[in-house]
Amino acid sequence: DTGVSQDPRHKITKRGQNVTFRCDPISEHNRLYWYRQTLGQGPEFLTYFQNEAQLEKSRLLSDRFSAERPKGSFSTLEIQRTEQGDSAMYLCASSGGTGNQPQHFGDGTRLSIL
Amino acid sequence: AQKVTQAQTEISVVEKEDVTLDCVYETRDTTYYLFWYKQPPSGELVFLIRRNSFDEQNEISGRYSWNFQKSTSSFNFTITASQVVDSAVYFCALTGNYGGSQGNLIFGKGTKLSVKP
Repeated sequence: DTGVSQDPRHKITKRGQNVTFRCDPISEHNRLYWYRQTLGQGPEFLTYFQNEAQLEKSRLLSDRFSAERPKGSFSTLEIQRTEQGDSAMYLCASSGGTGNQPQHFGDGTRLSIL
Repeated sequence: AQKVTQAQTEISVVEKEDVTLDCVYETRDTTYYLFWYKQPPSGELVFLIRRNSFDEQNEISGRYSWNFQKSTSSFNFTITASQVVDSAVYFCALTGNYGGSQGNLIFGKGTKLSVKP
């Protein structure tokens, strides 16, 4: 049983560029979550999907952020016109069943904005 | 609003000492779940335990134990006979079942535990 997989592990880009991250959840999990973690802080919720439906978005998710899960399997998170403040670790998690099941996290994608 | 407070930013102990990590939470939900996660230096968050709001029994798993006290809104985590491999950042998290939370986790800021040999 493979865990949650995220790609790339590290992304370095110049301010103003667009970036896209991918998350492959545990195969039988219907829920997929995105979080952002900055240094010295706990992860902060961004958005989540149940199957292909995006059910909740945090206020943290500005218009420059968009997430998709087109076939209810993998998900992508895109950030347009990146800013210095977007530098963070982006974490993906998945869970099965109801929303109160344990979420299993991937290794994250570390985004560095030059 | 929901909130999780981990007042201890960093704790340093010597191997074999017992250590307790504190977690205090706030929620208006009557049904909720509490979690502990471990984040070792490698970075991946590892699930440790889930507890629902109706189950106040303490739980023990090997050297780990958890004390849930609804009266004080606390869910503390104790490591007995700590080992160097326990060195990590530990996060307490809360999720609601109603009121729009829909299962997203609300994390505390974490407690960094350093266990020295």
